[in-house]
Amino acid sequence: RKEVEQDPGPFNVPEGATVAFNCTYSNSASQSFFWYRQDCRKEPKLLMSVYSSGNEDGRFTAQLNRASQYISLLIRDSKLSDSATYLCGGYQKVTFGTGTKLQVIP
Amino acid sequence: DAGVIQSPRHEVTEMGQEVTLRCKPISGHDYLFWYRQTMMRGLELLIYFNNNVPIDDSGMPEDRFSAKMPNASFSTLKIQPSEPRDSAVYFCASSLQLAGPDLTGELFFGEGSRLTVL
Repeated sequence: RKEVEQDPGPFNVPEGATVAFNCTYSNSASQSFFWYRQDCRKEPKLLMSVYSSGNEDGRFTAQLNRASQYISLLIRDSKLSDSATYLCGGYQKVTFGTGTKLQVIP
Repeated sequence: DAGVIQSPRHEVTEMGQEVTLRCKPISGHDYLFWYRQTMMRGLELLIYFNNNVPIDDSGMPEDRFSAKMPNASFSTLKIQPSEPRDSAVYFCASSLQLAGPDLTGELFFGEGSRLTVL
């Protein structure tokens, strides 16, 4: 079983919508997590790190639920420029999920 | 400041040939990671180094793969002999530290080496 699992999508949402992705992890000892964004045919780049209960940065909110062993990413007021693949992962072994593809539609 | 530099950006080779991918991490970063990305398996950690020493190579697929870091500014990933199923994008990344409760441990990725084995 992979250490981190996420729904590959794609999630097709209209501009302005709110969208949420979940990512489950198997190692209960993991303490900190992250979300990376990867544009098509580009390298991943850090979007947010997640410790304790969560983190917020503008339209983006990441939350950690230790009891259920998942992290989530909420994107409010989606923009066309948010279209990308979002990768979650854990710092325990610096491993990533397979990514969730988001397509924001005009 | 220069980011992580990988070469070659693209490589097309025939089955059985040796492939060497190269990476120059960001200066001052103590950690270096090699990942492989495919549509089917996503981004897989192959191996990572700390201060030039391999720490975890459990992700290396098999003996055909080897990685070295002879000094703080250079690492190689070698595949010998290559097979069609090795076709993927190989990313190198470096970080200042691994994350702890109060650290970010952000990974900075190179642009990747796209390998096609025919």
